[in-house]
Amino acid sequence: DQQVKQNSPSLSVQEGRISILNCDYTNSMFDYFLWYKKYPAEGPTFLISISSIKDKNEDGRFTVFLNKSAKHLSLHIVPSQPGDSAVYFCAASEETSGSRLTFGEGTQLTVNP
Amino acid sequence: DTAVSQTPKYLVTQMGNDKSIKCEQNLGHDTMYWYKQDSKKFLKIMFSYNNKELIINETVPNRFSPKSPDKAHLNLHINSLELGDSAVYFCASSQDRLGNTIYFGEGSWLTVV
Repeated sequence: DQQVKQNSPSLSVQEGRISILNCDYTNSMFDYFLWYKKYPAEGPTFLISISSIKDKNEDGRFTVFLNKSAKHLSLHIVPSQPGDSAVYFCAASEETSGSRLTFGEGTQLTVNP
Repeated sequence: DTAVSQTPKYLVTQMGNDKSIKCEQNLGHDTMYWYKQDSKKFLKIMFSYNNKELIINETVPNRFSPKSPDKAHLNLHINSLELGDSAVYFCASSQDRLGNTIYFGEGSWLTVV
């Protein structure tokens, strides 16, 4: 029962263009969402988050959009850079579960020079 | 100056052995975790400790036993290793038990042969 799903295992984008990574969830109790980036042989690193009271959060080149009615969030990276090539994990949590994060299976982003 | 460090990074061992993975964080965080990334790349929480107290214990075989001697350390002991235990194990920490931002270690690659 995968409550957080990233349906695209991979995405390839040209440098300078926009990367859009998508994530869907099924648990309507989720109220906090995060994106993590992971390079090979390293642990995931926190990228950006959004609480359910917002529908958009921006940090530099990274913007996360949340559509609660569709139970969908997306991460936009613009402009994409080759150094952005990594696996991106979507994660969600609900306040009542405290620190339990539920992760998606990840999307491998490749940004081509 | 690694924030969350875990050792060993790579471990190859035979079925039936008992092994430990150590984790330390120097962030002053109160909460620490163990996550497992399985062959399908899903990251799933195993345990969480807050100030040395177990707060999350997912459905994990009792061959896995976390030990937290102090809030900066959370070690994972695995008894009677099985082939299916082969995975990458990530230690992590967060400021508090809400865990809105979790910082991960680099991972420990366990291979059981």
